[in-house]
Amino acid sequence: DSGVTQTPKHLITATGQRVTLRCSPRSGDLSVYWYQQSLDQGLQFLIQYYNGEERAKGNILERFSAQQFPDLHSELNLSSLELGDSALYFCASSQLLAGGYNEQFFGPGTRLTVL
Amino acid sequence: GQNIDQPTEMTATEGAIVQINCTYQTSGFNGLFWYQQHAGEAPTFLSYNVLDGLEEKGRFSSFLSRSKGYSYLLLKELQMKDSASYLCAVRVHTGGFKTIFGAGTRLFVKA
Repeated sequence: DSGVTQTPKHLITATGQRVTLRCSPRSGDLSVYWYQQSLDQGLQFLIQYYNGEERAKGNILERFSAQQFPDLHSELNLSSLELGDSALYFCASSQLLAGGYNEQFFGPGTRLTVL
Repeated sequence: GQNIDQPTEMTATEGAIVQINCTYQTSGFNGLFWYQQHAGEAPTFLSYNVLDGLEEKGRFSSFLSRSKGYSYLLLKELQMKDSASYLCAVRVHTGGFKTIFGAGTRLFVKA
């Protein structure tokens, strides 16, 4: 158990819908990262927040948005869902913004299925 | 662009040694990580290299050559539970710090 929690574990929805994925980082971690992992694909970095502020952005679609709240939990919002958005979405957390060891601890993931 | 290459699959025998290679072409290199991921589970951290050389951690070692854009993960005394995907990831500093993951190497350990 990494200490990072994600809800829900599974989500099944239809095309065109909107969903929210939730992540609580490890106690004391200020950085939160979101990743997408499609079938047989590597982890794709989406976005990073540090202490409530967006700090780095990857290949995140405009239909997707995220935020980190004052209690440091984070939410990833996916809208106008398409079949291709079906994937495992991982949240990770680390202590620091960047640099040094700063290993990332991954949550168990949310499996999103878009029908 | 940023690119990370690693073999798709490897097979090795229980008790043996296996080396998983990773080559990368990135700008703004800021460290290289190896993660282990069992099917359907979260990745877990194995090792971190930022300077050239070998880092040893029990049965796992990781090597980095920044000039060659090359790393390897060495697994000794293989066990069946080592069957998993091994992800090479490079942290870069371009418009913030980002971690770019390779597609992973699926390792099968046979008896």
